[in-house]
Amino acid sequence: GAVVSQHPSRVICKSGTSVKIECRSLDFQATTMFWYRQFPKQSLMLMATSNEGSKATYEQGVEKDKFLINHASLTLSTLTVTSAHPEDSSFYICSAHGAEAFFGQGTRLTVV
Amino acid sequence: RKEVEQDPGPFNVPEGATVAFNCTYSNSASQSFFWYRQDCRKEPKLLMSVYSSGNEDGRFTAQLNRASQYISLLIRDSKLSDSATYLCVVNKFNAGGTSYGKLTFGQGTILTVHP
Repeated sequence: GAVVSQHPSRVICKSGTSVKIECRSLDFQATTMFWYRQFPKQSLMLMATSNEGSKATYEQGVEKDKFLINHASLTLSTLTVTSAHPEDSSFYICSAHGAEAFFGQGTRLTVV
Repeated sequence: RKEVEQDPGPFNVPEGATVAFNCTYSNSASQSFFWYRQDCRKEPKLLMSVYSSGNEDGRFTAQLNRASQYISLLIRDSKLSDSATYLCVVNKFNAGGTSYGKLTFGQGTILTVHP
C-alpha cells in the first residue's frame, strides 16, 4: 500500500483562489518532507523542504509567500498555493524519505 | 549546466530489444544514485539504486562510474510494460555524512516499446 498519501489527486480552481494540498506519511514519522513541481515534459523540480515544527526551506526562485508550507506534525505537511494563477497549473508531488524516497500520488492543479 | 543530465529521447524500440540509457551528474559531492520510473501523470517509483560495483535486478542492470560521474541503465528483453519515462536521480549527503534527502532529478528519458 501507499507509504505517502497525497490529497487531492486533482483540483481545478478559479484564478485568485487558494488551494491546499496535503501530504501524509502513513507508515513512519517524517521530520522532513519535500515538495516538487513538474511541468509537462519536464523533470521534477524541488520547490521546498518542509521541516516539522520549523519554517520550510525554499529553493531559489520559489516565492515563500505564494507557496505556504505547514508541517505541524510528524505525519502531515501541507502546501497551500495562494492566489493561484494559470501559470501555477502543474503537477505537485510530495515525498518523504526513509530508506528510500517515497512519493505521494501527486496533485494535478489546473487554474482557470 | 544542469546538475543531472539525461538524453530525453524518445527511444522507440521493439519488444525484445536491449536499450541503454545514460546519465551524467556534475556535483562530485553526490553520494547516492537511483533510477526511478515515472508513468504518465503518475508519481515516480524507485526502479533500482545504483552502486559502484554495478547491480542487476532481473532484466535491469545499473552501473555507476564515479570517476566519470556517469550512470547507466540497461534494459534487456524489453517488454511493452517497460514504456515509461526513466529518471536518473542523485542524492547529496549533508556535512554530517547522513543523507540530506534532497534529490536532484534528471529530465528523464522517454522509452516506448512497440510490438
